[in-house]
Amino acid sequence: GDSVTQTEGLVTVTEGLPVKLNCTYQTTYLTIAFFWYVQYLNEAPQVLLRSSTDNKRTEHQGFHATLHKSSSSFHLQKSSAQLSDSALYYCALLSGSFNKLTFGAGTRLAVCP
Amino acid sequence: EAAVTQSPRNKVTVTGGNVTLSCRQTNSHNYMYWYRQDTGHGLRLIHYSYGAGNLQIGDVPDGYKATRTTQEDFFLLLELASPSQTSLYFCASRDRANSDYTFGSGTRLLVI
Repeated sequence: GDSVTQTEGLVTVTEGLPVKLNCTYQTTYLTIAFFWYVQYLNEAPQVLLRSSTDNKRTEHQGFHATLHKSSSSFHLQKSSAQLSDSALYYCALLSGSFNKLTFGAGTRLAVCP
Repeated sequence: EAAVTQSPRNKVTVTGGNVTLSCRQTNSHNYMYWYRQDTGHGLRLIHYSYGAGNLQIGDVPDGYKATRTTQEDFFLLLELASPSQTSLYFCASRDRANSDYTFGSGTRLLVI
């Protein structure tokens, strides 16, 4: 089956500094798309950005990610972290005939003043 | 805008108890999903359905049943609740032509 690995459970960064959240994956099915979801406290997960094109940079709300199928990676980056970016971030992939979404374990981002 | 409504928002039950979590979506989406969210595990798929009367087994189905009674309604049943099922449960729906999921606000279940 599919699996998504997020190696960091918690990332702490100072406001204004760059941040990178790692995501790698394994898939045995036809993968349709890759996602980063963000979840704020007491809210549901929501799509931050998505991609289905190899080696194409995708951007949204200052965050960017590039799908690299050669290394099975879809890392999330931001050049200048903001306090409001503090949240739980999930990497996920959509695959199979029923378009199942498989999530990683999540990375909590804490941005400090 | 698609809406997914879950009820109840919070539920406490005893070990061995019977619990039903409800999910209703108002945009006639074909696909509906039940996930549980646990720290260190992320969101894991329990059951899903692509239409009324259809049920597919997810990745962590043990101890759960589900039923899709209509296009709008998808229920998750715990017939003999155990403390290991204490979790935050999310329902989601998706249209056949769109890859984006719409999530409900979640149901927090505590089994004591």
